[in-house]
Amino acid sequence: DIQMTQSPSSLSASVGDRVTITCRASQYISRDLNWYQRKPGKAPKLLIYAASSLQSGVPSRFSGSGSGTDFTLTISSLQSEDFATYYCQQSYNTPLITFGQGTRLEIK
Amino acid sequence: QLQLQESGPGLVKPSETLSLTCTVSGGSINSSSSYWGWIRQPPGKGLEWIGSIHFSGSAFYNPSLKSRVSISVDTAKDHFSLRLSSVTAADTAVYFCARDRYGSGPLWKTEFDYWGQGTLVTVSS
Repeated sequence: DIQMTQSPSSLSASVGDRVTITCRASQYISRDLNWYQRKPGKAPKLLIYAASSLQSGVPSRFSGSGSGTDFTLTISSLQSEDFATYYCQQSYNTPLITFGQGTRLEIK
Repeated sequence: QLQLQESGPGLVKPSETLSLTCTVSGGSINSSSSYWGWIRQPPGKGLEWIGSIHFSGSAFYNPSLKSRVSISVDTAKDHFSLRLSSVTAADTAVYFCARDRYGSGPLWKTEFDYWGQGTLVTVSS
């Protein structure tokens, strides 16, 4: 199966900061990569699909890029509501999809 | 607005079978362009895909769980169900159901766009 590795595992940042999270696939996955946000007690929320497409209703400060094996999620100016855990998910091998281990974004 | 809601026992004994149901409202489970999935998150760990099903009954499972998992769909009741047999403490997790909208291209590419709130299932005697 395709392994997804995120870095860093955790990150401390301040409101207003620009933040980048990286996801690396163990093999080529084209642009078949999604990003989710998970807050405690809440369901995961789809942010970015197909590597760079912004899901409806998601603020434009979120963006995604990458192709092949290396991908990034960028938050251009952190807001207080963005502190959460972020997961990447490959859809290249659908239905055998896999998630990254998560990146916890904390307040500095 | 599509809504999904998980239901089922919050406590299951070791070696028994975990059974959960996901009820879909605000839309129909009979969508040719949707699959319906189960995902779980053990305490302190990441997300793990369990399996997905189409309203036609076509189902796919995580190979690591395949021998113990069964997912079924009831189109008349707009719900789909998960059964996980021979559970151990390692199966303790928050279980989510979600809609996989298939993706925008010609091939099925999983994108979970609607999720239930999740239900905690604890395996303990």
